Amino acid sequence: EVQLVESGGGLVQPGGSLRLSCAASGFTFSSYEMNWVRQAPGKGLEWVSYISSSGSTIYYADSVKGRFTISRDNAKNSLYLQMNSLRAEDTAVYYCARVSSYGSFDYWGQGTLVTVSS
Amino acid sequence: DIQMTQSPSSLSASVGDRVTITCRASQGIRNDLGWYQQKPGKAPKRLIYAASSLQSGVPSRFSGSGSGTEFTLTISSLQPEDFATYYCLQHNSYPPYTFGQGTKLEIK
Repeated sequence: EVQLVESGGGLVQPGGSLRLSCAASGFTFSSYEMNWVRQAPGKGLEWVSYISSSGSTIYYADSVKGRFTISRDNAKNSLYLQMNSLRAEDTAVYYCARVSSYGSFDYWGQGTLVTVSS
Repeated sequence: DIQMTQSPSSLSASVGDRVTITCRASQGIRNDLGWYQQKPGKAPKRLIYAASSLQSGVPSRFSGSGSGTEFTLTISSLQPEDFATYYCLQHNSYPPYTFGQGTKLEIK
């Protein structure tokens, strides 16, 4: 069974940092592209970042470029999102999501809440 | 960037009704589109991939159609568990991947 489990969310002050993790199981993690998607309270879904299966190709949404860094450790079946210079508008539930062979996101984690507030 | 315009933003319907939700892309995206259902406090769940293919385990009352710039998600006979928010996602041209704004389906 495919499972994605996020962790690392919490309350952080503006300007602070946080590192999210996504532990993958039930599939060959190293074969799949992965993404982070977020959802602010009461709002819609917003794509945040993409990483290829090898980690050689990375993309970011303009809203996080220069502040967030996506990475992966295929040996540990884990995906990461390092978030620096956090702002109030980064407050959201952050999901990791797997890219299926058809290109859309087939499996999602349960999400981890990041709250940026003083 | 490709913009996805989803309509309506909200919809009231009754059990047994037939419901259609539309996503329009700002440029052609072939059939590179997925539909998702999200219930409060839960992660999105994929219903449809490649615009019209039903995800395994999803009831057959859900169907998708369209290609190019206009896409529809149809629920043929609403069930109580279908009341949720629905999103489309384009993956033809990225970055960025783009979602529709969402359609909240409520009980009339």
